[in-house]
Amino acid sequence: KAGVTQTPRYLIKTRGQQVTLSCSPISGHRSVSWYQQTPGQGLQFLFEYFSETQRNKGNFPGRFSGRQFSNSRSEMNVSTLELGDSALYLCASSLGQVPTEAFFGQGTRLTVV
Amino acid sequence: AQSVTQLDSQVPVFEEAPVELRCNYSSSVSVYLFWYVQYPNQGLQLLLKYLSGSTLVKGINGFEAEFNKSQTSFHLRKPSVHISDTAEYFCASTRQGAQKLVFGQGTRLTINP
Repeated sequence: KAGVTQTPRYLIKTRGQQVTLSCSPISGHRSVSWYQQTPGQGLQFLFEYFSETQRNKGNFPGRFSGRQFSNSRSEMNVSTLELGDSALYLCASSLGQVPTEAFFGQGTRLTVV
Repeated sequence: AQSVTQLDSQVPVFEEAPVELRCNYSSSVSVYLFWYVQYPNQGLQLLLKYLSGSTLVKGINGFEAEFNKSQTSFHLRKPSVHISDTAEYFCASTRQGAQKLVFGQGTRLTINP
């Protein structure tokens, strides 16, 4: 069974640009969550989607958005990039209907210059 | 509000020595607990989970953890570590009805030969 796939693995963007990250969950998983990991703030929850609906959102500005498609694949978008958005962005998938473990992808390393 | 505290930011140990990584949680409702490991430039890999049942949980790579409700702790242990265990370890919690993981700040485990 294939794991969680995130693309691209690395990205370099300029301040003010926007970026879209992609996540393909494990087959059969309907929940996709996104996390931001930085040295200073650690792992912080961005949002979670289940069956194309956002069920929960973390404490991030509106520049951070996401969506989920009917095949459970998810994208997150960050507009008007700031230097502080440089981070490892991790996607996790799970079955989603009961508390169970989340499986993480390798992450996308975003560097804003 | 949910929170997870990892009491040590760094733990150095010698190879083949035992190790304990400490984790305390706070939650007013039933909680589910996890330990994840992160190797450099990688995503998170699940070591073990506590959802219900036996308070002693065994995971992969020889790790185990004990859920202690009275002390609100979920410490991770391994009787004999190897160089390959060098990584960062994260304790995380979630609760019934929530769709997000709350992470501790991480513990960097360094194994010295």
